[in-house]
Amino acid sequence: AQTVTQSQPEMSVQEAETVTLSCTYDTSESDYYLFWYKQPPSRQMILVIRQEAYKQQNATENRFSVNFQKAAKSFSLKISDSQLGDAAMYFCAFPAFQGAQKLVFGQGTRLTINP
Amino acid sequence: SQTIHQWPATLVQPVGSPLSLECTVEGTSNPNLYWYRQAAGRGLQLLFYSVGIGQISSEVPQNLSASRPQDRQFILSSKKLLLSDSGFYLCAWSVRLGSRRGYTFGSGTRLTVV
Repeated sequence: AQTVTQSQPEMSVQEAETVTLSCTYDTSESDYYLFWYKQPPSRQMILVIRQEAYKQQNATENRFSVNFQKAAKSFSLKISDSQLGDAAMYFCAFPAFQGAQKLVFGQGTRLTINP
Repeated sequence: SQTIHQWPATLVQPVGSPLSLECTVEGTSNPNLYWYRQAAGRGLQLLFYSVGIGQISSEVPQNLSASRPQDRQFILSSKKLLLSDSGFYLCAWSVRLGSRRGYTFGSGTRLTVV
């Protein structure tokens, strides 16, 4: 079974600085993809970024980028120039290969931005 | 455009009362549908998923049930609520985009059982 682990329950960063959130996963598949979701206080789930496992290049969306290490099964999220609006819970997620490709989530990391 | 509607947004129910949460999607057909529950400050736990009308799969044994009476309608129910049913419930759907799936979440229902 696929599993996703986020080992940092909480992180904090000064506004305008850079922070990296960690995620590891386990799968026996070779073709898959991964997501990072943001959940602000409104609790709406917002897709931040997506990475295809077959792509060697790390995905980037404006200030958000990933460090994808396929062999190590690691998928970290880097937020550059942190802004107050980045404060939220961040979830790493992985579509399970079986069972209607349900999304399997990590436990989440609560990110605080200090002004 | 593809949208998902989930209601109500907030619900306070007494222990032992019934529950019905509804989720509908627009702008797509034959989506996979999912019900997740999130305890305070915790991750998302998949409760049910459905790949078609009348097809329901349960992930964890519990006091809840789900139904899919129409292609784009997914209902979460309980005959008698327990205190432990309190939480934040999220509906989601996914559709195939080539060899991949795109996922969209509803705005959620905050359920408090008192």
